[in-house]
Amino acid sequence: EVQLVESGGGLVQPGRSLKLSCAASGFTFSNYYMAWVRQAPKKGLEWVATISTSGSRTYYPDSVKGRFTISRDNAKSSLYLQMNSLKSEDTATYYCARLQRDYFDYWGQGVMVTVSS
Amino acid sequence: DVQMTQSPSYLAASPGESVSISCKASKSISNYLAWYQQKPGEAYKLLIYSGSTLQSGTPSRFSGSGSGTDFTLTIRSLEPEDFGLYYCQQYYEKPLTFGSGTKLEIK
Repeated sequence: EVQLVESGGGLVQPGRSLKLSCAASGFTFSNYYMAWVRQAPKKGLEWVATISTSGSRTYYPDSVKGRFTISRDNAKSSLYLQMNSLKSEDTATYYCARLQRDYFDYWGQGVMVTVSS
Repeated sequence: DVQMTQSPSYLAASPGESVSISCKASKSISNYLAWYQQKPGEAYKLLIYSGSTLQSGTPSRFSGSGSGTDFTLTIRSLEPEDFGLYYCQQYYEKPLTFGSGTKLEIK
C-alpha cells in the first residue's frame, strides 16, 4: 500500500525558514517523480514543486521560485521541502504527492504550515 | 499560465441522482486533465486521468469526457460516499494548475 506521511509543519514567523519532510513507503520511491502541492485555508490547490527521480531536475511556479527548494533522499525514501523567506501567503496545508507524468496519483494527508508573527 | 474554470462551486444532490461538474481550460490542453476527490479526513484521491481514463479502483459510475478546453466529470447514481470536494487539474504544461473546486453535498 502506498503511503506518504508528511511532517515538520508548524507556526513560523514571517521571513523565517521551515523544512517539511515526507516519508514514502509501499513503492519504489526512486522510480517516481515527486511533488508538493499546497492548499491555503478555504482556497484551492496550488502546485508548489516537482523533482525528478534522481533529483537532478526541479520545477517551481513563480510564486515560490527562489524561496523554496525541493529535494529527495532515495536511500531513505524521503522527500523534502525547504521553505525560506516565508510569507503570510504561504500559510497552507502542504501535501506530498507521487507523480505519474504530471498528475498526482497518490497524496499524503498533509501538514499545516502557519506563517504569522 | 493555463487557467482552469470549474463549475459549479457547490452542488447539492440526493443519492441515486446523477450530477455533472464542468472544467474549462483557458487554452487547449488536449486530454491532459485529471480529476480528484477529497473527503473529510481523507487524502486526496485520483479519480480520472487523460480526461476519461478511470484510475484503478475508481467506481464505474464515475466518467470523464472532453478534450481541448471543455471537460466534464459525471457521476451516475450517486452513492453516499461520493459526497465531498472535487477538483480538476491540467498537466498539459507547467505551472500545473487546478480548478477552484466543487463541493458536492447531500440534499
